[in-house]
Amino acid sequence: DAKTTQPPSMDCAEGRAANLPCNHSTISGNEYVYWYRQIHSQGPQYIIHGLKNNETNEMASLIITEDRKSSTLILPHATLRDTAVYYCIVRNFGNEKLTFGTGTRLTIIP
Amino acid sequence: DTAVSQTPKYLVTQMGNDKSIKCEQNLGHDTMYWYKQDSKKFLKIMFSYNNKELIINETVPNRFSPKSPDKAHLNLHINSLELGDSAVYFCASTRQGSYEQYFGPGTRLTVT
Repeated sequence: DAKTTQPPSMDCAEGRAANLPCNHSTISGNEYVYWYRQIHSQGPQYIIHGLKNNETNEMASLIITEDRKSSTLILPHATLRDTAVYYCIVRNFGNEKLTFGTGTRLTIIP
Repeated sequence: DTAVSQTPKYLVTQMGNDKSIKCEQNLGHDTMYWYKQDSKKFLKIMFSYNNKELIINETVPNRFSPKSPDKAHLNLHINSLELGDSAVYFCASTRQGSYEQYFGPGTRLTVT
Protein backbone atom coordinates (compact mmCIF):
# COMPACT_ATOMS: atom_id res chain seq x y z
CA ASP A 1 0.00 0.00 0.00
CA ALA A 2 1.15 3.52 -0.77
CA LYS A 3 2.48 5.70 2.04
CA THR A 4 0.56 8.74 3.27
CA THR A 5 1.78 11.99 4.83
CA GLN A 6 -0.37 14.08 7.16
CA PRO A 7 0.34 17.10 9.37
CA PRO A 8 0.78 15.96 12.97
CA SER A 9 -1.75 18.39 14.40
CA MET A 10 -4.35 21.01 13.50
CA ASP A 11 -6.78 23.26 15.32
CA CYS A 12 -10.19 24.37 14.11
CA ALA A 13 -12.79 26.65 15.64
CA GLU A 14 -16.08 25.07 16.61
CA GLY A 15 -18.70 25.53 13.91
CA ARG A 16 -16.16 26.10 11.15
CA ALA A 17 -15.15 23.66 8.46
CA ALA A 18 -12.16 21.49 9.30
CA ASN A 19 -10.00 20.65 6.29
CA LEU A 20 -7.54 17.83 6.84
CA PRO A 21 -4.96 17.28 4.08
CA CYS A 22 -3.25 14.06 3.10
CA ASN A 23 -0.49 13.42 0.58
CA HIS A 24 -0.27 10.05 -1.17
CA SER A 25 1.95 10.77 -4.14
CA THR A 26 2.79 7.09 -4.79
CA ILE A 27 -0.82 5.92 -4.94
CA SER A 28 -1.52 3.38 -7.67
CA GLY A 29 -4.55 3.19 -9.90
CA ASN A 30 -6.45 0.56 -7.96
CA GLU A 31 -5.82 1.96 -4.48
CA TYR A 32 -8.57 3.66 -2.54
CA VAL A 33 -8.21 6.51 -0.05
CA TYR A 34 -9.82 5.80 3.32
CA TRP A 35 -10.28 8.01 6.33
CA TYR A 36 -10.72 6.78 9.88
CA ARG A 37 -10.68 8.65 13.14
CA GLN A 38 -9.92 7.67 16.71
CA ILE A 39 -11.54 9.59 19.50
CA HIS A 40 -9.58 9.39 22.74
CA SER A 41 -9.58 5.90 24.29
CA GLN A 42 -11.98 4.50 21.68
CA GLY A 43 -11.55 2.20 18.72
CA PRO A 44 -11.03 3.73 15.28
CA GLN A 45 -14.15 4.70 13.37
CA TYR A 46 -14.61 4.64 9.61
CA ILE A 47 -15.47 8.00 8.09
CA ILE A 48 -15.37 7.83 4.31
CA HIS A 49 -13.48 6.43 1.34
CA GLY A 50 -13.01 7.21 -2.35
CA LEU A 51 -11.19 6.16 -5.49
CA LYS A 52 -11.07 9.21 -7.73
CA ASN A 53 -14.38 11.02 -7.48
CA ASN A 54 -15.27 13.33 -4.64
CA GLU A 55 -17.46 11.69 -2.03
CA THR A 56 -19.86 12.94 0.61
CA ASN A 57 -21.71 11.21 3.40
CA GLU A 58 -23.41 12.25 6.61
CA MET A 59 -20.09 12.65 8.40
CA ALA A 60 -17.76 14.32 5.93
CA SER A 61 -16.70 15.08 2.37
CA LEU A 62 -13.64 13.73 0.63
CA ILE A 63 -11.97 15.74 -2.10
CA ILE A 64 -9.40 13.86 -4.21
CA THR A 65 -7.21 15.79 -6.62
CA GLU A 66 -7.37 14.91 -10.27
CA ASP A 67 -3.91 13.31 -10.23
CA ARG A 68 -4.95 11.44 -7.03
CA LYS A 69 -1.71 12.38 -5.30
CA SER A 70 -3.45 14.16 -2.46
CA SER A 71 -6.83 14.45 -0.81
CA THR A 72 -8.66 16.53 1.77
CA LEU A 73 -11.17 15.41 4.34
CA ILE A 74 -13.71 18.10 5.15
CA LEU A 75 -15.82 18.18 8.29
CA PRO A 76 -18.29 20.91 7.31
CA HIS A 77 -19.35 22.15 10.75
CA ALA A 78 -16.89 20.91 13.33
CA THR A 79 -18.10 20.23 16.86
CA LEU A 80 -16.17 19.53 20.04
CA ARG A 81 -16.95 15.82 19.57
CA ASP A 82 -14.90 15.86 16.37
CA THR A 83 -11.70 16.24 18.40
CA ALA A 84 -9.77 13.10 17.50
CA VAL A 85 -6.82 11.68 15.59
CA TYR A 86 -7.67 11.38 11.89
CA TYR A 87 -5.96 8.74 9.78
CA CYS A 88 -5.63 8.83 6.02
CA ILE A 89 -5.02 5.32 4.65
CA VAL A 90 -4.38 4.16 1.12
CA ARG A 91 -5.38 0.59 0.46
CA ASN A 92 -5.87 -1.76 -2.42
CA PHE A 93 -9.47 -2.92 -2.29
CA GLY A 94 -8.41 -6.56 -2.29
CA ASN A 95 -6.07 -6.04 0.67
CA GLU A 96 -7.61 -6.94 4.01
CA LYS A 97 -5.06 -4.90 5.98
CA LEU A 98 -5.49 -1.35 7.20
CA THR A 99 -2.07 0.24 7.70
CA PHE A 100 -2.37 3.18 10.06
CA GLY A 101 0.18 5.99 10.03
CA THR A 102 0.62 8.64 12.68
CA GLY A 103 -2.44 10.64 11.64
CA THR A 104 -3.45 14.24 12.35
CA ARG A 105 -4.53 15.21 15.83
CA LEU A 106 -7.46 17.59 15.25
CA THR A 107 -8.47 19.79 18.14
CA ILE A 108 -11.75 21.69 17.94
CA ILE A 109 -11.54 24.95 19.84
CA PRO A 110 -14.71 26.27 21.54
CA ASP B 1 -26.65 -2.82 20.69
CA THR B 2 -22.90 -3.31 20.82
CA ALA B 3 -21.55 -4.28 17.40
CA VAL B 4 -18.04 -5.38 18.40
CA SER B 5 -17.42 -6.07 22.07
CA GLN B 6 -14.28 -7.00 23.95
CA THR B 7 -13.67 -8.37 27.42
CA PRO B 8 -12.11 -7.41 29.64
CA LYS B 9 -11.79 -3.66 29.15
CA TYR B 10 -8.79 -3.49 31.47
CA LEU B 11 -6.35 -6.25 32.34
CA VAL B 12 -3.46 -5.88 34.76
CA THR B 13 -1.19 -8.87 35.21
CA GLN B 14 2.34 -9.85 36.05
CA MET B 15 5.15 -10.88 33.76
CA GLY B 16 5.16 -14.55 32.91
CA ASN B 17 1.40 -15.02 33.26
CA ASP B 18 -0.91 -16.33 30.54
CA LYS B 19 -4.01 -14.33 29.72
CA SER B 20 -6.83 -14.21 27.18
CA ILE B 21 -8.83 -11.37 25.63
CA LYS B 22 -12.19 -12.12 24.08
CA CYS B 23 -13.92 -10.47 21.14
CA GLU B 24 -17.42 -10.94 19.82
CA GLN B 25 -19.26 -9.29 16.93
CA ASN B 26 -22.99 -9.44 16.30
CA LEU B 27 -22.85 -7.97 12.80
CA GLY B 28 -22.76 -11.24 10.90
CA HIS B 29 -19.32 -10.37 9.54
CA ASP B 30 -17.02 -13.10 8.29
CA THR B 31 -13.64 -11.45 8.84
CA MET B 32 -12.19 -10.46 12.20
CA TYR B 33 -8.93 -8.80 13.22
CA TRP B 34 -6.69 -8.06 16.16
CA TYR B 35 -4.75 -4.79 16.25
CA LYS B 36 -2.21 -3.58 18.80
CA GLN B 37 -1.79 0.08 19.76
CA ASP B 38 1.40 0.71 21.71
CA SER B 39 2.32 3.51 24.08
CA LYS B 40 3.34 5.72 21.15
CA LYS B 41 -0.15 5.27 19.69
CA PHE B 42 0.98 3.34 16.63
CA LEU B 43 -1.84 1.04 15.57
CA LYS B 44 -0.72 -2.16 13.86
CA ILE B 45 -2.53 -5.20 12.62
CA MET B 46 -1.60 -8.51 14.26
CA PHE B 47 -3.97 -11.13 12.87
CA SER B 48 -6.88 -11.54 10.53
CA TYR B 49 -9.33 -14.44 10.41
CA ASN B 50 -11.83 -15.14 7.67
CA ASN B 51 -14.49 -17.75 8.35
CA LYS B 52 -12.41 -19.12 11.23
CA GLU B 53 -9.27 -19.41 9.11
CA LEU B 54 -6.10 -17.40 9.69
CA ILE B 55 -5.33 -15.23 6.66
CA ILE B 56 -2.96 -12.57 8.07
CA ASN B 57 -0.23 -13.07 10.64
CA GLU B 58 2.00 -10.02 10.88
CA THR B 59 5.17 -11.57 12.33
CA VAL B 60 3.70 -11.63 15.80
CA PRO B 61 5.61 -13.72 18.39
CA ASN B 62 4.21 -17.21 18.74
CA ARG B 63 3.36 -16.41 22.38
CA PHE B 64 0.28 -14.82 20.81
CA SER B 65 -2.26 -17.34 19.62
CA PRO B 66 -5.59 -16.25 18.16
CA LYS B 67 -8.49 -18.66 18.29
CA SER B 68 -11.74 -18.40 16.41
CA PRO B 69 -14.33 -20.86 17.72
CA ASP B 70 -16.91 -19.51 15.27
CA LYS B 71 -17.37 -16.60 12.87
CA ALA B 72 -18.64 -14.29 15.60
CA HIS B 73 -15.73 -14.75 18.00
CA LEU B 74 -12.00 -14.16 17.83
CA ASN B 75 -10.07 -14.57 21.05
CA LEU B 76 -6.45 -13.70 21.70
CA HIS B 77 -4.40 -15.81 24.08
CA ILE B 78 -1.03 -14.57 25.22
CA ASN B 79 1.51 -16.83 26.92
CA SER B 80 4.41 -15.76 29.12
CA LEU B 81 3.47 -12.10 29.16
CA GLU B 82 6.29 -9.57 28.84
CA LEU B 83 6.49 -5.89 29.76
CA GLY B 84 6.48 -4.99 26.07
CA ASP B 85 3.08 -6.58 25.62
CA SER B 86 1.55 -3.66 27.51
CA ALA B 87 -0.71 -1.93 25.00
CA VAL B 88 -4.30 -1.45 23.96
CA TYR B 89 -5.59 -4.33 21.87
CA PHE B 90 -8.42 -3.68 19.45
CA CYS B 91 -10.63 -6.23 17.80
CA ALA B 92 -12.31 -5.37 14.49
CA SER B 93 -14.59 -7.04 11.99
CA THR B 94 -15.77 -6.57 8.44
CA ARG B 95 -17.94 -8.24 5.84
CA GLN B 96 -15.87 -9.62 3.01
CA GLY B 97 -15.97 -7.14 0.17
CA SER B 98 -16.96 -4.25 2.43
CA TYR B 99 -14.96 -1.03 2.67
CA GLU B 100 -15.48 -0.52 6.37
CA GLN B 101 -13.95 -2.18 9.43
CA TYR B 102 -15.81 -1.93 12.73
CA PHE B 103 -13.62 -1.67 15.80
CA GLY B 104 -14.29 -2.71 19.36
CA PRO B 105 -13.67 -0.45 22.38
CA GLY B 106 -10.25 -1.92 23.11
CA THR B 107 -8.65 -3.86 25.96
CA ARG B 108 -5.93 -2.05 27.88
CA LEU B 109 -3.36 -4.63 28.95
CA THR B 110 -0.79 -3.65 31.56
CA VAL B 111 2.01 -6.06 32.38
CA THR B 112 3.90 -5.34 35.60
